[in-house]
Amino acid sequence: EVQLVESGGGLIHPGGSLRLSCAASGFTFSNFVMSWVRQSPGKGLQWVSSITGNGGSTYYTDSVKGRFTISRDNSRNTLYLQMHSLRVEDTAIYFCTRDGPYSSGCHYHWGQGSLVTVSS
Amino acid sequence: DTQMTQSPSSLSASVGDRVTITCQASQDIFNYLNWYQQKPGKAPKLLIYDASNLETGVPSRFSGSGSGTDYTFTIIGLQPEDFATYYCQQYHNLPWTFGQGTKVEIK
Repeated sequence: EVQLVESGGGLIHPGGSLRLSCAASGFTFSNFVMSWVRQSPGKGLQWVSSITGNGGSTYYTDSVKGRFTISRDNSRNTLYLQMHSLRVEDTAIYFCTRDGPYSSGCHYHWGQGSLVTVSS
Repeated sequence: DTQMTQSPSSLSASVGDRVTITCQASQDIFNYLNWYQQKPGKAPKLLIYDASNLETGVPSRFSGSGSGTDYTFTIIGLQPEDFATYYCQQYHNLPWTFGQGTKVEIK
């Protein structure tokens, strides 16, 4: 059974940094594209970032480029999202997703989410 | 960015009803269109991928169709567990984008 467990969320001041982690199990982690998708409280869904199975290619939505970095440790079956220069508008539940083996965009499996609150 | 316009934003329906949700993309997305279901406090769940393919384990009362810029999601015979919010999502053009959601409520 595919399991994705996010951690690392919390309350942070504007301008601060935070690192989210996603521990994966139940599948061969290195074979799949992984993504982060966020959802602001009471709002819709927004794709944030994706990374290929070997970590060689990464993709970001414009609003986080230069501030967020997606990475993965295939030896630890873990996905990361390093977030810097956080803004109030980054407040959201961040979901880790497992996509297809070769391409992003189809979010087949989701974690339970990790809440990031950016507030002074 | 490819804008996804989903309608209606909410609807009320009864158990057993047929429910239809539409999603219009701002440009041709060549069937790179998914539908997700989200229940309160839970993560979204993929129901339909590539416009019309039912994800494994999803009941056959759910279906999707469409092409080009216009797509439709249908539930035939609404069940109590289907009351939720549904989202369309395109993945033809980066950034992948979602519709604003349709909340299906009990009439």
